[in-house]
Amino acid sequence: QVQLVESGGGLVKPGGSLRLSCAASGFTFSDYYMSWIRQAPGKGLEWVSYISSSGNIIYYADSVKGRFTISRDNARNSLYLQMNSLRAEDTAVYYCAREVGATGRIDPWGQGTLVTVSS
Amino acid sequence: QSALTQPASVSGSPGQSITISCTGTSSDVGGYNAVSWYQQHPGKAPKLMIYDVSYRPSGVSNRFSGSKSGNTASLTISGLQAEDEADYYCSSYTSSSTHVVFGGGTKLTVL
Repeated sequence: QVQLVESGGGLVKPGGSLRLSCAASGFTFSDYYMSWIRQAPGKGLEWVSYISSSGNIIYYADSVKGRFTISRDNARNSLYLQMNSLRAEDTAVYYCAREVGATGRIDPWGQGTLVTVSS
Repeated sequence: QSALTQPASVSGSPGQSITISCTGTSSDVGGYNAVSWYQQHPGKAPKLMIYDVSYRPSGVSNRFSGSKSGNTASLTISGLQAEDEADYYCSSYTSSSTHVVFGGGTKLTVL
């Protein structure tokens, strides 16, 4: 079945860096757009970044632009999020998600990985 | 402040129907038939319930339905069941560089 498994979360100090990974299985990864979406503790969902199937189209939320970099390796069925200059407000569960089409239909979602930015 | 506006909470008794609204603008909800609804139980990942305004993914109960009028989309759950108690989020494709915008979420309580 379709599965997305995130890894790489943890505790990091403000200004630090972290790289999240997402391993995909059960579908042809290279056919799909992929997104990262986050949820701060007790808060709602916030779309973070999106990458097209070939990687040539990338979007970022204004809140992370210039600090985060999304990438993918279709040969390894993997999605990545490099997060630099982390701030306390980046603390959240980060979900990897498959986008069906290019109009925001997100299905499925991974189980999420928690990123905590604190000194 | 979320881009799409949802009520913070709604409630209903088992067997009843409830509707959750999601209001945006002509740049998102009103401009595209690309509204989705997600159900999230505590500690779990969101699950797609409705896409493209009114389509249900395979396996989702037909008690869930979606609609749209102008800049407002709606999710209706009929025949409420205890397991429907969860947070519900709407989202929409947007013409801005943000690509996808979410609502702030609605907590559904089954009384």
